[in-house]
Amino acid sequence: DVKVTQSSRYLVKRTGEKVFLECVQDMDHENMFWYRQDPGLGLRLIYFSYDVKMKEKGDIPEGYSVSREKKERFSLILESASTNQTSMYLCASSLASLYTQYFGPGTRLTVL
Amino acid sequence: GQQLNQSPQSMFIQEGEDVSMNCTSSSIFNTWLWYKQEPGEGPVLLIALYKAGELTSNGRLTAQFGITRKDSFLNISASIPSDVGIYFCAGHRYGNKLVFGAGTILRVKS
Repeated sequence: DVKVTQSSRYLVKRTGEKVFLECVQDMDHENMFWYRQDPGLGLRLIYFSYDVKMKEKGDIPEGYSVSREKKERFSLILESASTNQTSMYLCASSLASLYTQYFGPGTRLTVL
Repeated sequence: GQQLNQSPQSMFIQEGEDVSMNCTSSSIFNTWLWYKQEPGEGPVLLIALYKAGELTSNGRLTAQFGITRKDSFLNISASIPSDVGIYFCAGHRYGNKLVFGAGTILRVKS
C-alpha cells in the first residue's frame, strides 16, 4: 500500500512565523505535490516536483516555497505566515508514468 | 481554475438507497479518478479509470470512464452510514497535474 505521511495533523502558528510542512512517501514515487483545500474553493495546487531538486509552480504559489532534497521527502515552506494561509494542506505523490495521486492525511494549519 | 463539473453538489439519502454522481468536462481526459474524503482526513483513492468505456468496481462502488472521454460516473449501491463523506472526481489531460471537481457531499440517514 502507498503511504504518504505528513509531519503534523494540526499546527497553530503566529503571523510572521516561518512554517515548515513536511511530507514523506514510501513508494519511490517521482512526483510529489502540495495542495491547499478551502471550503468552496476545492483543491488548489501550490507547487509540485517531478524529481529531486526540481520544482514547478502550481496555481497559487505566492507566499510559499518548496524543497525536495530527497526523493521521498517534499517540504512546503511558508516564509512569513499570514492569516489568509490558514487552511488544510494536503500532500500527494504519484509515479511519473501513472497520474494517479495518493494523498496524505493533511495538516490543518491555523495562523493567528 | 477547475474545469470539471461535478454533480450533484450534495445528496442526503436514506440508508440502503443507491447513489449516482458524475463529472463532466468540455475537454477530453486520459485518466479519471474518484476519491473519497472524510472530515479532517486526506482524500483516499477509490477507483482509477484509464480507458474510454472502462467500467470498474470496488465493492459496492462502480465507476465508468465515459466513451467520449469527457465524463465519468460513480455509483454506490446499497448505501450505509460509513459512506458519508465528500466524493471528488479528478481527471488527467497532460503534464503531471490533475484537475479536480468541486466534490459531492454525501449524507446518509440511517
